[in-house]
Amino acid sequence: DVQMTQSPSYLAASPGESVSISCKASKSINTYLAWYQEKPGKTNKLLIYSGSTLQSGTPSRFSGSGSGTDFTLTIRSLEPEDFAVYYCQQHNEYPYTFGAGTKLELK
Amino acid sequence: QVQLQQSGAELAKPGSSVKISCKASGYTFTSYAMHWIKQTTGQALEWTGYIAPGSGGTKYNEKFKGKATLTVDKSSSTAYMQLSSLTPVDTAVYYCARRGEIRGSFAYWGQGTLVTVSS
Repeated sequence: DVQMTQSPSYLAASPGESVSISCKASKSINTYLAWYQEKPGKTNKLLIYSGSTLQSGTPSRFSGSGSGTDFTLTIRSLEPEDFAVYYCQQHNEYPYTFGAGTKLELK
Repeated sequence: QVQLQQSGAELAKPGSSVKISCKASGYTFTSYAMHWIKQTTGQALEWTGYIAPGSGGTKYNEKFKGKATLTVDKSSSTAYMQLSSLTPVDTAVYYCARRGEIRGSFAYWGQGTLVTVSS
């Protein structure tokens, strides 16, 4: 199985700041990497798929980059609603696997 | 709009089975595979498998073979996951999910069903 290593586990930031979350795959997954946002009381939200393609409705302050084994989610100019847990997931091969999550907290 | 409505929380005893449901609406049920994902306390997410409602074909994560059984009822646009021989490690929230534009990325999620295994 492809192991997904996500870092950091916790990240504290303030509104207006920019942050980046890393996701590393144990083998090449081409560009098949998705990012999700998890918030209490809401269903999980797909933000980005195929490494850098924004899902419909994802604000443009979110961006994804990378290919092969190294990927990054960047959130520019954080808004209050962005404080949540973020997961990466490879969708290159079965079984699909997820990173352990990054909790983005308000500083 | 696409909606996936899951059944309520379950409390089950070790050794028993539970069957949770996911009712789909807002799209043609037989056109998209339904996936199931396990989330344990501490956030870890594991893809369990999928079922193609049109054919009934399934694909399981090897880790969940013998544990999870996926079925559908096309007449009610409902997918089911049965978990058998429950142990405390099966305690988790289970989600159903459907792809969006591209295979393997999940644009639509159910709200989750908490399964608690305890004597």
